Amino acid sequence: DGGITQSPKYLFRKEGQNVTLSCEQNLNHDAMYWYRQDPGQGLRLIYYSQIVNDFQKGDIAEGYSVSREKKESFPLTVTSAQKNPTAFYLCASSILRASGANYGYTFGSGTRLTVV
Amino acid sequence: ILNVEQSPQSLHVQEGDSTNFTCSFPSSNFYALHWYRWETAKSPEALFVMTLNGDEKKKGRISATLNTKEGYSYLYIKGSQPEDSATYLCAFRGNNDMRFGAGTRLTVKP
Repeated sequence: DGGITQSPKYLFRKEGQNVTLSCEQNLNHDAMYWYRQDPGQGLRLIYYSQIVNDFQKGDIAEGYSVSREKKESFPLTVTSAQKNPTAFYLCASSILRASGANYGYTFGSGTRLTVV
Repeated sequence: ILNVEQSPQSLHVQEGDSTNFTCSFPSSNFYALHWYRWETAKSPEALFVMTLNGDEKKKGRISATLNTKEGYSYLYIKGSQPEDSATYLCAFRGNNDMRFGAGTRLTVKP
């Protein structure tokens, strides 16, 4: 079955360490996204990518980095520069129409990152 | 309204009750309004995509309406069941981005 796989489900990080969250999709979707969720807030966009080897900053990109070397994969690195990394991280993908607009998203099941 | 706002933040109802909640969004640069259902420990799942003012969509006991001129959408659940317990997210898609509300967390008590 096609879908998005995020791993790990739970991740603990020591302060000052970088960690990488995995997101893989087998839906042949062009676009992939990383969101962060904090209690009582909507999903906030960290980074997105519409094509291999290209990505754009979202609203809260500081302290994060991404890569898109393959269409299927969009890993997110939470760097030590991210001041408040404890959160729930959600990856999504979508198709793109020729106009560049996107349809609805298919989501992964998320990674909960805790800094200890 | 610049952001997407959902109300109420949480809702507790008895099995069999009908309920509804609201999503408010910017009334300009509208492209589409999405509703998602998000059960704990699972992925959000798409419920509806609505694009035209006056759109009404229905899936089983769940339905949604859209008013793009005034910038709101309602989600209705008729005869709530415990399996309807979830967070219901709406997302506004404008020309260049998709913005999410914080969700309405519904708990249906048996």
